[in-house]
Amino acid sequence: SQELEQSPQSLIVQEGKNLTINCTSSKTLYGLYWYKQKYGEGLIFLMMLQKGGEEKSHEKITAKLDEKKQQSSLHITASQPSHAGIYLCGADLRNTGKLIFGQGTTLQVKP
Amino acid sequence: DVKVTQSSRYLVKRTGEKVFLECVQDMDHENMFWYRQDPGLGLRLIYFSYDVKMKEKGDIPEGYSVSREKKERFSLILESASTNQTSMYLCASNEFDSGANVLTFGAGSRLTVL
Repeated sequence: SQELEQSPQSLIVQEGKNLTINCTSSKTLYGLYWYKQKYGEGLIFLMMLQKGGEEKSHEKITAKLDEKKQQSSLHITASQPSHAGIYLCGADLRNTGKLIFGQGTTLQVKP
Repeated sequence: DVKVTQSSRYLVKRTGEKVFLECVQDMDHENMFWYRQDPGLGLRLIYFSYDVKMKEKGDIPEGYSVSREKKERFSLILESASTNQTSMYLCASNEFDSGANVLTFGAGSRLTVL
């Protein structure tokens, strides 16, 4: 089983709609990292969260880390076709510098 | 900008062939990583290196080896490619810091083994 579980696995939304992607661990997260991947390409870093309760925003994307540091959510407001891609959460579960990743969430935004 | 370059974007190899995947980073990072990405499984760590000539197994090292002779270069080797090694391979690097372990990724190498 995955140490980091993402939900949903895939998502299709109409342009302009809001959406949320979740990332859950049974262990404390020593840093939670959100990445985006366009199909067939490498991962682009979006945001990093380290403190319980932390929230960060960039343009229309907001990420939060819960107080217990075991779950994070990524929220996109007023989605656009440019938001389409695969979103992956990564975490350092053992404070070793090695990141493990969730399965990814594939997002499609219909114009 | 930090740049991680993977020399081959697409490769097609035959079963039993030896395959080299090369990765070069230009920011003097200590750590380098090789992941493979498969649908429904996300990224899985194959090997990583925290210094020249140093390596450590990740979660799925079987069938792979690595080489790090220079700080900027980290190679993944498939000694005898098999069809179940058909995948997207991603190289990444970072400077381990207790404050932030942001990985910078290359564009990926898509390997097909026939």
